[in-house]
Amino acid sequence: DQQVKQNSPSLSVQEGRISILNCDYTNSMFDYFLWYKKYPAEGPTFLISISSIKDKNEDGRFTVFLNKSAKHLSLHIVPSQPGDSAVYFCAARGSSGNTPLVFGKGTRLSVIA
Amino acid sequence: EPEVTQTPSHQVTQMGQEVILRCVPISNHLYFYWYRQILGQKVEFLVSFYNNEISEKSEIFDDQFSVERPDGSNFTLKIRSTKLEDSAMYFCASSYRRTGGYSNQPQHFGDGTRLSIL
Repeated sequence: DQQVKQNSPSLSVQEGRISILNCDYTNSMFDYFLWYKKYPAEGPTFLISISSIKDKNEDGRFTVFLNKSAKHLSLHIVPSQPGDSAVYFCAARGSSGNTPLVFGKGTRLSVIA
Repeated sequence: EPEVTQTPSHQVTQMGQEVILRCVPISNHLYFYWYRQILGQKVEFLVSFYNNEISEKSEIFDDQFSVERPDGSNFTLKIRSTKLEDSAMYFCASSYRRTGGYSNQPQHFGDGTRLSIL
């Protein structure tokens, strides 16, 4: 039961270039989407989120795009930096009640200097 | 910046023993959660807690698990009789508001407790 899918387990990008991480979801009740970054031996750190009423949210080098009709979201990091190397998790939740986050399996991003 | 803190960072316990994992959520947060991540697998929801009671729990959160907020700052997860398959990273999270409806607030995570059952 993979309601949130990150199909690329890893991604390698040159420093200074754009990193694009993708996420697909199947549950049409999801209405809030988040990206977390995780370094080894640390917990997930919140990066950026988007609600279903928007199609884009930007915060500095990070932009999240949401395509509701395709049930797809992506995280763009521009320009990529070596410190961005981490595992990135996509998460989603619905609006009814105090719903928990459903996570994808993560994508390991390596930014090469 | 305020953060969620978890202790211990690593807990080794014999199978069948009770274990208590501790968390101090961010001080003005009202909603508390436990998640776990078995090695190589996804982060999975266990339980959410608000106003001194469980709001929601997953199938994983069976009778062997319990949560408590014994005072104004700590939030604990107890596993009564541990099994080998309980070995995982356990993450505590908190958020300021109900993460539902139009008041979207992200959950903030601690660094986790690695639980190893022998």
